[in-house]
Amino acid sequence: AQTVTQSQPEMSVQEAETVTLSCTYDTSESNYYLFWYKQPPSRQMILVIRQEAYKQQNATENRFSVNFQKAAKSFSLKISDSQLGDTAMYFCAFYNRDDKIIFGKGTRLHILP
Amino acid sequence: DADVTQTPRNRITKTGKRIMLECSQTKGHDRMYWYRQDPGLGLRLIYYSFDVKDINKGEISDGYSVSRQAQAKFSLSLESAIPNQTALYFCATRDRKNTEAFFGQGTRLTVV
Repeated sequence: AQTVTQSQPEMSVQEAETVTLSCTYDTSESNYYLFWYKQPPSRQMILVIRQEAYKQQNATENRFSVNFQKAAKSFSLKISDSQLGDTAMYFCAFYNRDDKIIFGKGTRLHILP
Repeated sequence: DADVTQTPRNRITKTGKRIMLECSQTKGHDRMYWYRQDPGLGLRLIYYSFDVKDINKGEISDGYSVSRQAQAKFSLSLESAIPNQTALYFCATRDRKNTEAFFGQGTRLTVV
């Protein structure tokens, strides 16, 4: 069974700093998708960034970028120039041909003023 | 209006009561999912459906049942609620051609 592991339950960084959230996963599949979702206090789930496993280039969305290491099964999220509005729970998620989306346990990120 | 709507947003119910959480979507997606979120456990899949006649159990289906009344509607029922079913419940939808899932606003359920 596929699993997603987020090893950092909680993190705090100062505003404007760069922070990296870790995610590892386990699968025997060769083609799959990886996501980072953000859940602010409003509890809405918001897609931050997506990576397709067959693409070697790391995905980037404005201040958010990923470091995708397929061989190591690692998918970390880097937030540059962090802002107070980035304070949220962040979930790493995995999707494959089973049509299920499997989530990690989440990392609670605090951006400090 | 939201693309994925969950009702109710919040609910308090008593142990042993039957309760239904409803989800409707206007995105025309065929895939629908129910997740449960607990602190420290992330989102865990309860049930998922690929169309009206195709319903599948997720990793934590015990104590829950679902009904896909139409392509746009997917309901989650707790036949006899118990306190450890207190959680935040999310409905999500996805189109078979795309990987992004769209979530409802969540239902916070408290069983006392």
